[in-house]
Amino acid sequence: DVKVTQSSRYLVKRTGEKVFLECVQDMDHENMFWYRQDPGLGLRLIYFSYDVKMKEKGDIPEGYSVSREKKERFSLILESASTNQTSMYLCASSPQATGNEQFFGPGTRLTVL
Amino acid sequence: AQRVTQPEKLLSVFKGAPVELKCNYSYSGSPELFWYVQYSRQRLQLLLRHISRESIKGFTADLNKGETSFHLKKPFAQEEDSAMYYCAPNNAGNMLTFGGGTRLMVKP
Repeated sequence: DVKVTQSSRYLVKRTGEKVFLECVQDMDHENMFWYRQDPGLGLRLIYFSYDVKMKEKGDIPEGYSVSREKKERFSLILESASTNQTSMYLCASSPQATGNEQFFGPGTRLTVL
Repeated sequence: AQRVTQPEKLLSVFKGAPVELKCNYSYSGSPELFWYVQYSRQRLQLLLRHISRESIKGFTADLNKGETSFHLKKPFAQEEDSAMYYCAPNNAGNMLTFGGGTRLMVKP
């Protein structure tokens, strides 16, 4: 079974704090993704990585950065958290070939006060 | 720009009734299309993909290229079908674009 884990289920931070969200997958997948999930807006892609140290911007990268130093780990960084970044954050992974299923983590609900 | 529309935010039906969750897309080329589902307190997971042409948990989805739609259907809804459903075309490469989602509530 593919297992995608996220470091926290719930996180509360203050405006201006630097926030790290960690994601680990154990199936040797090349692709990893970070989304935010908001009611009515569905999932929106923040960043995507197709290999170690490689990244591509998604639809809403502003205010976020990512790091992929190891194949199994993909980190999302909020350099200076703001209240409009309060959301559910989902990590996913998939094998390299186009059109493959994405496997999702349980999500991290981040609240920025 | 590529766009996915799920016009209903909430769909409420009685158990045993037919259900259709609508998805319309605006894409260049021929995307591969997926439906993902999220049950209460569970992870988002793949329900079905159009290329496999299979029925999963009684659900089917037909790709209508003329109408650019990929509606999800089930003839007899069950209470355990209550969940959040997302339509997601696969654009260039490996990226999915998700619709806004439809919450299906199946009442007893």
